[in-house]
Amino acid sequence: EDQVTQSPEALRLQEGESSSLNCSYTVSGLRGLFWYRQDPGKGPEFLFTLYSAGEEKEKERLKATLTKKESFLHITAPKPEDSATYLCAVWESFNKFYFGSGTKLNVKP
Amino acid sequence: NAGVTQTPKFRILKIGQSMTLQCTQDMNHNYMYWYRQDPGMGLKLIYYSVGAGITDKGEVPNGYNVSRSTTEDFPLRLELAAPSQTSVYFCASSYQGSYEQYFGPGTRLTVT
Repeated sequence: EDQVTQSPEALRLQEGESSSLNCSYTVSGLRGLFWYRQDPGKGPEFLFTLYSAGEEKEKERLKATLTKKESFLHITAPKPEDSATYLCAVWESFNKFYFGSGTKLNVKP
Repeated sequence: NAGVTQTPKFRILKIGQSMTLQCTQDMNHNYMYWYRQDPGMGLKLIYYSVGAGITDKGEVPNGYNVSRSTTEDFPLRLELAAPSQTSVYFCASSYQGSYEQYFGPGTRLTVT
């Protein structure tokens, strides 16, 4: 069973068209949820950590929120440079750190 | 700071060969990790370390070994390479008690 599921797999937006990416998880004891950005051929780049339901974090055009079973990454007025794959990861215990397969975002000018 | 560096960037191995993937970080992080990323799949944790001399298995450790003799270095050893080990390997590090991981650029390994 997948512990982390991200949707959609791919998302194409026009520049300025806001949208949200979803990350749902099934781990029983969430100790933290992480969002990363990954550009082609590179390692993931840390964006946010969320620890408890109701928590929100913002950075430029990105805002991450957390509920008891899912997290959303909201992208407001995206630009082409926001095109990347966005990865969600959950931390259940020290050796249980699960990544989703990502949402590939393409923002067209 | 260079952050997390990995060598080599690319490597092709024949079945049964062995190799070591190198990982070095200059951020004085206690925690270090090795992941593999297969196409269309999430990253899978292979091994992790909480400090020099301390390592433990992650989700997919079979076919791999690690050592941690210094804070800076965390090499991953592949013995008897198999086609199933074809993947992109990422090393990461974080501060003690934090799981905000900083990743290296990856090593793309092909086993044929």
